[in-house]
Amino acid sequence: GAVVSQHPSWVICKSGTSVKIECRSLDFQATTMFWYRQFPKQSLMLMATSNEGSKATYEQGVEKDKFLINHASLTLSTLTVTSAHPEDSSFYICRAAVMSEQYFGPGTRLTVT
Amino acid sequence: GENVEQHPSTLSVQEGDSAVIKCTYSDSASNYFPWYKQELGKRPQLIIDIRSNVGEKKDQRIAVTLNKTAKHFSLHITETQPEDSAVYFCAASKLGTSYDKVIFGPGTSLSVIP
Repeated sequence: GAVVSQHPSWVICKSGTSVKIECRSLDFQATTMFWYRQFPKQSLMLMATSNEGSKATYEQGVEKDKFLINHASLTLSTLTVTSAHPEDSSFYICRAAVMSEQYFGPGTRLTVT
Repeated sequence: GENVEQHPSTLSVQEGDSAVIKCTYSDSASNYFPWYKQELGKRPQLIIDIRSNVGEKKDQRIAVTLNKTAKHFSLHITETQPEDSAVYFCAASKLGTSYDKVIFGPGTSLSVIP
C-alpha cells in the first residue's frame, strides 16, 4: 500500500518554542492532507484539512495562528505548533488522501516541557 | 457536522468469545464507515470498512453490519485472540472525493483475556 511518513517521530521542546512536523506521501500525490491530534486514551480529533496550494480549513476550536499548516506540494504538508505549551503535548497524525484512498502517517509524539 | 458515538468504551472478553462494538452516526449523508485498530503508540490501521449500499461485510473473523435507517453500524469479532487486544475506532465519512473528513468515534478499548 501507499506509504506516508512523518518527521520527526518524537520531539521534546521547551515551552514557548515552535515545532515543525512534516508529513510526506512517498509514492503518491496527495491532493488533500488531514491533520489529527490524539491525547492519551482519547480519540483522533480532526484539526484541519489542507489542499495543495490553498489555505487550510480549520475545525472549530482550533487556533489557526497557533497551528500553522502549509501544503506546498502534492507530497508534503507541514504542521507548525507555534509558542508551544505543555497542553499541546499530544500525538499528531497526518492522513494523506487522493480521491477515495487515504493513508495515515505513523504519527509524531510531541512533548512540551 | 457529523457526530459519531461508540459503545462500550471498554470491553473485556475471554479468548475465543465474540466481541461486539456498536456505533451511531448523525449525518444521514455519510456513506462510508471504516473501522480502525490502534495499538499503543502506533497509527490507526484500517481493518474493515463498509459503504452505505451494503448491509453487511465479512472478512475472516471480522464482520461489520450497517443499518442506514437507524444510523447504526457494528463491528463483530469472532473467536477473539489475545492479539486482538487494542483500541478500536469506528468512523464515518462522505466518501467521494479526497476532501472528505473522516470523523472518529471515541474508541473502545478491547482486552482479550487468555
